[in-house]
Amino acid sequence: ETGVTQSPTHLIKTRGQQVTLRCSSQSGHNTVSWYQQALGQGPQFIFQYYREEENGRGNFPPRFSGLQFPNYSSELNVNALELDDSALYLCASSLRQAQETQYFGPGTRLLVL
Amino acid sequence: SQQGEEDPQALSIQEGENATMNCSYKTSINNLQWYRQNSGRGLVHLILIRSNEREKHSGRLRVTLDTSKKSSSLLITASRAADTASYFCATGNQAGTALIFGKGTTLSVSS
Repeated sequence: ETGVTQSPTHLIKTRGQQVTLRCSSQSGHNTVSWYQQALGQGPQFIFQYYREEENGRGNFPPRFSGLQFPNYSSELNVNALELDDSALYLCASSLRQAQETQYFGPGTRLLVL
Repeated sequence: SQQGEEDPQALSIQEGENATMNCSYKTSINNLQWYRQNSGRGLVHLILIRSNEREKHSGRLRVTLDTSKKSSSLLITASRAADTASYFCATGNQAGTALIFGKGTTLSVSS
């Protein structure tokens, strides 16, 4: 069974830049969710993709966008980066929606200077 | 907004002792999950307890759920240094599309 992988592991950007984070879901999972975790906080839901469609969104502005591909891998794009976007970004895959167990990747740590 | 709130925020114990963490939540749930996070890395699922269950065991873990009080507890027995991590409870949002996490309990187990 292949676990959830994310790339890159670390990233440094400057304010105003754009970033793309990638996630490969666990084999057989068709649902991918993205979370932002600021230092000392719990993960905050950004959005979820199910069968290539956005299936729910948290309280994040439109400059946070995503994609899911036919192989169920996913991208998170953030435009016009702000200092507060510095965080650990976690991808999680599951067989169904969030009510069931989610399997998390190791995360991408983004630092915005 | 936070659905679950863990208590205490931090806990320090010796190896071999038991560790108990509590979680309170606000709205009705289908299930409640506990996750562990080591050193700011990805979360690892520990256990899921459904709303019609009162207690569940997995190895050294024991989880209880009291839906009347909207609370859950996680007990780790005979703690080891490797249990040092942050522990989060999570419930589903109303739409069933997201897990909502609390701020977590940071557990330190010293040898």
